[in-house]
Formats: sequence, C-alpha cells, structure tokens
Amino acid sequence: NAGVTQTPKFRILKIGQSMTLQCTQDMNHNYMYWYRQDPGMGLKLIYYSVGAGITDKGEVPNGYNVSRSTTEDFPLRLELAAPSQTSVYFCASRAGQINQPQHFGDGTRLSIL
Amino acid sequence: AQTVTQSQPEMSVQEAETVTLSCTYDTSESDYYLFWYKQPPSRQMILVIRQEAYKQQNATENRFSVNFQKAAKSFSLKISDSQLGDAAMYFCAYRISITGNQFYFGTGTSLTVIP
Repeated sequence: NAGVTQTPKFRILKIGQSMTLQCTQDMNHNYMYWYRQDPGMGLKLIYYSVGAGITDKGEVPNGYNVSRSTTEDFPLRLELAAPSQTSVYFCASRAGQINQPQHFGDGTRLSIL
Repeated sequence: AQTVTQSQPEMSVQEAETVTLSCTYDTSESDYYLFWYKQPPSRQMILVIRQEAYKQQNATENRFSVNFQKAAKSFSLKISDSQLGDAAMYFCAYRISITGNQFYFGTGTSLTVIP
C-alpha cells in the first residue's frame, strides 16, 4: 500500500523558473492538502481540496496554484519561483469521515537559488 | 482565528523515563479534534494519537497518552518508558469537526532521548 506519494524528493530551481510538485494517493481519499514547512516552523496550509474539481486556498496560497482533475492526484504548481518559496513541501490526504487524521507523503525539499 | 501553541521548542528525556510535551490552542468552537504527529529525521509525518473534544476520557495509545483539559484549552502528550526511537519533532494539530477542512499545526517540539 503506497499511501501518499510525492515526487520529486529534492529539487533546486533558479529564480523565475516554474515547476510542478506531484502528489498522488491510492487510498481513494476525497480530501487532499498541500503544506509548506519552513525551518524550525510548523506546517502552513497552502491549498486544499475536498474532492475532484474542487480546490480552496489555505493560509499561504500566494505564488502557488493547484488542480484536482482526479481523486488520486493533486499537483502543486509554482509559476515564478522566488527564494521565499524555499521550503519543504508536504502533501497529505484523509478520508471523509469526520474523525480521520491526515496521511502524509515524505515531503519534497525545494531550494530556490 | 485558530492558533496552536507549543511553548517548548526543545525537550530531552532519559531513556525509559517519562516526558510531557505541552500544547495549548485557541478556539471559540465547542466541537473539534486534536492530534499529535511525530516527525522523525526521515521527515515523514506520523500520527501518534488523536482526541475528540466531546470525549472526556483522555486518549491512550500504548506508551502515549494525552491530558486533555478542555476548559483550559490544553492538550499535552505524555510519553512513558521513552525509547530512542521516540526522538523526533512532535507537532500538535487542531481541526474543527463540523466545518473543518483545515488542520492547524503548532511550531513543534524537538524531543531528544538520552541513552
């Protein structure tokens, strides 16, 4: 059972470049989330989705975009990378039942130079 | 706004001893869920324990238990018989139960286990 899979695990970008962080889950979870974790900090919610075709902003959405065309996939897009987006990015999913926790991927470490 | 505060950036415990990690939260809601997640150096986020606010009984999972004080908005994690594998960052998280699509995380406590 793969759970939540994130790719890539590491990436270095130049300022102004674009990239997509991939996230896929095989648990048929409706809810999916993208977080960023800056050094010494907790997780900040970027975007989330309650089902295919539905996305919503979290606490720190600026500079990012998402899409949810299928239940399994929830890619995060950085259009014009900035140094402030250097962080570790986590994708998570959860089932729809009200008391269910989130299941996390292993994270993507992204550096913008 | 929902906030979660972990006032202990770092804690240490001797192997086989007991340690308590603190968490407080601010909410005007009456129904919500609280979680403790563990993040070892591998960076995976692993659920340790969860607590439903409507339950008075404190949750327990093997060596892990919580002290949930709803009136004080406090949710501490007790780790008994600490093991070297318990060394990790621990995050407290909160979610409103009815409308809660979002989870709110504290800044974490780094736990060191001393052999």
